[in-house]
Amino acid sequence: NAGVTQTPKFRVLKTGQSMTLLCAQDMNHEYMYWYRQDPGMGLRLIHYSVGEGTTAKGEVPDGYNVSRLKKQNFLLGLESAAPSQTSVYFCASSTTYPDSEAFFGQGTRLTVV
Amino acid sequence: AQKVTQAQTEISVVEKEDVTLDCVYETRDTTYYLFWYKQPPSGELVFLIRRNSFDEQNEISGRYSWNFQKSTSSFNFTITASQVVDSAVYFCALSDTGRRALTFGSGTRLQVQP
Repeated sequence: NAGVTQTPKFRVLKTGQSMTLLCAQDMNHEYMYWYRQDPGMGLRLIHYSVGEGTTAKGEVPDGYNVSRLKKQNFLLGLESAAPSQTSVYFCASSTTYPDSEAFFGQGTRLTVV
Repeated sequence: AQKVTQAQTEISVVEKEDVTLDCVYETRDTTYYLFWYKQPPSGELVFLIRRNSFDEQNEISGRYSWNFQKSTSSFNFTITASQVVDSAVYFCALSDTGRRALTFGSGTRLQVQP
């Protein structure tokens, strides 16, 4: 079983460039999430979705946009990358909330130079 | 607002020692869930346990045990007879109705020396 798959695994961007991170899950989960992980700060929620066609802001949404056109996919976009967006990005999904555990992708390490 | 505090940034032990990772949480809800995740050096996040707010029974799974105490808002994790393979970052997390996603603590890095 693939579970949650993130593409790409690594990326280096120049300041001002744009990119899209793709998250795909094959578990038919309703809820999907994007987190970023920075040293000493744990995982912070960027955006989330409670179902196909819905998105909502998390605690650190500035500089990011998301879309969930299909239930299995959750895209995270950076329109104009900044060095402060250098981080490890994790996508996760869960079947329900708040009682289900979240399943995580393997992470995307993004460096903005 | 919900909050999870893991005050121990890094712990180093020698193999076979017991170690306890602390987790303190804040929430206004009476119904909530607590989780522990493990992040080994390879980077993925591995789910370890879920506990709901109505179940204060301690849980033991092999060398792992969890102590949930509502009176102190704590959900501590103990590894008995630690092994090198336990070296990882461990995250405590909370879910409640305040928002629709897990709130994570800052993590505790555990290093088990041979």
